[in-house]
Amino acid sequence: ILNVEQSPQSLHVQEGDSTNFTCSFPSSNFYALHWYRWETAKSPEALFVMTLNGDEKKKGRISATLNTKEGYSYLYIKGSQPEDSATYLCAFGGATNKLIFGTGTLLAVQP
Amino acid sequence: DGGITQSPKYLFRKEGQNVTLSCEQNLNHDAMYWYRQDPGQGLRLIYYSQIVNDFQKGDIAEGYSVSREKKESFPLTVTSAQKNPTAFYLCASSIFGHSNQPQHFGDGTRLSIL
Repeated sequence: ILNVEQSPQSLHVQEGDSTNFTCSFPSSNFYALHWYRWETAKSPEALFVMTLNGDEKKKGRISATLNTKEGYSYLYIKGSQPEDSATYLCAFGGATNKLIFGTGTLLAVQP
Repeated sequence: DGGITQSPKYLFRKEGQNVTLSCEQNLNHDAMYWYRQDPGQGLRLIYYSQIVNDFQKGDIAEGYSVSREKKESFPLTVTSAQKNPTAFYLCASSIFGHSNQPQHFGDGTRLSIL
């Protein structure tokens, strides 16, 4: 059974703090690693899809890195703002064309 | 605006009743998916369709059925055989059904048992 693990489960930070989360995934049969942001009462929104070992992607204050050899990805948020409060999901894409989702990291940013 | 529309937002089912959740997309995407979310668990794949008139079982298909008669529509029926249907259901689509394509999600339907 393929397993995708995210840590921490939840995180409370102050406005202006920088933070990071981890996603661990199987290192075999890797095709892609996805990150999604899911705000309360909204639908999940795609942040990044990474496919190559060593990939780094950036969107404003949010960036992500990928290590497919050891099976992990980091998501970084620089200078957290209250509007960054959300659940951040990662998903592993393998050869089956299906995504396996982690349970998410819930981020709360206090003003 | 292009997007995915799920309806209804809330749905109640009586014991022994089948219910159908609607999912419509106007993104011209080939692939569509149904996920279920339970507390403390990641999104789990129920069914997916990579093209019209074709669909495959996901990891938890028992007690569910789908159809894909039109590109825009992928309804999910929760049958009476699904013994624990109370959950939050999300529909998604992608340009085509490869795992390197980002998925676009609807707002979800929350199903509860009366």
